[in-house]
Formats: sequence, C-alpha cells, structure tokens
Amino acid sequence: ETGVTQTPRHLVMGMTNKKSLKCEQHLGHNAMYWYKQSAKKPLELMFVYNFKEQTENNSVPSRFSPECPNSSHLFLHLHTLQPEDSALYLCASSQIADQETQYFGPGTRLLVL
Amino acid sequence: DQQVKQNSPSLSVQEGRISILNCDYTNSMFDYFLWYKKYPAEGPTFLISISSIKDKNEDGRFTVFLNKSAKHLSLHIVPSQPGDSAVYFCAASAWGNTPLVFGKGTRLSVIA
Repeated sequence: ETGVTQTPRHLVMGMTNKKSLKCEQHLGHNAMYWYKQSAKKPLELMFVYNFKEQTENNSVPSRFSPECPNSSHLFLHLHTLQPEDSALYLCASSQIADQETQYFGPGTRLLVL
Repeated sequence: DQQVKQNSPSLSVQEGRISILNCDYTNSMFDYFLWYKKYPAEGPTFLISISSIKDKNEDGRFTVFLNKSAKHLSLHIVPSQPGDSAVYFCAASAWGNTPLVFGKGTRLSVIA
C-alpha cells in the first residue's frame, strides 16, 4: 500500500455504538491529522499529532477520542455520537518541518443515525 | 468567522478556456497559501502553493496569483480540461508552521 489509507471507507452507526476509524500512512511522515468535512463547511482540523504526541485539539467534543500508537498509525475512537457528527472524516500526514504540504487519505464517510 | 473564504461554491467552464478560482483571506499573519484538488471519493491532493514573498507561481497549466494588499489569491487553469473537474480548496497558514486553514471549496466543472 502506498500513501495514506483509511478504513472503513463508509460507516453507519447508532448513537449508542462505539466504533473506531483507522488511518495508516506509508510515507515516512512524522505528523498526522484528523479533519472533519461537513456539507457546505470548510475542512475543520480536529487533532494534530507530531511524533505521536498530540499538539492540537481544536475544541473537539470528548465523544471523539484520538489515538496515535506510532507515527504511521492514527485512530479516531467514536462513542455516543450525535446525528450532526455525520460527515466525511479525513486523515492526513506530513513532515513536521513541512506541515503545509499534507497528504490526505480518501476519508471515511460516517452516518450517525 | 471564516479566515479563508471561497465565495463561489461552483464554477462551470468550457474545455480549452481559462478557469479562474478565487480565494480571499482575512488573517494578515498568513504567509503561505496552497490549493488542493479533490475528486469524489478521494482525499484532497496538493496542487500548487505560493509564499507571501512572491506574487505569482506557475506550474504547467496552473498558476496561482497572490495580491497581498487585497488579501486575495486566485488559481488560473489554462487550458481547462475535463479531468480538471473537481472541488478546489484554498488553504493558508501563518508563519511558524501553524495548522492549515481551509476554505469551503469551489466545485469546478469543465464541459467538453
């Protein structure tokens, strides 16, 4: 596999479910990001990890819980989500020294019922 | 309040003509600007960038122009091709490797 991969690509969950989104990058990068893209809104940065350490949490509700076990893998654990959390969740990676040039995964389209 | 604005949600252009996508920003601390392109079912991909020390950057059919005094940048695609049909996101960052701030995107349709 090359680039940035995300699984699953689509996810439907109820408000009481617990699920996890997975992201893996094969680019040797040391920074990883979670973004949320809702309809008709800009891409919103959620979390940033540099060298596995969280450096940014953009006022994200605690029902979203990120985990970065190593610089190649990033998870987003979801629990007790709301219907308004339905969106496209994009993972990205970059070098810390070049955080402007990010490489994105294809995203997970999440629907919360 | 949005710091990066793409006021045109969509744009339709004939094949072979010029496509001009616009972006405005409000934060005077931004000093690096990028355009990303997104096809359906794929993540955004980096297209072209420009530093605030320049007012133009060209890469093949793609040129980005920056007008710092107007806090405005634009992406020109010449000639436009059907494969250019995608959503284009403008993004900006401030000095010090701060996180990217994205606009809402403009959907470009190039008609054959």
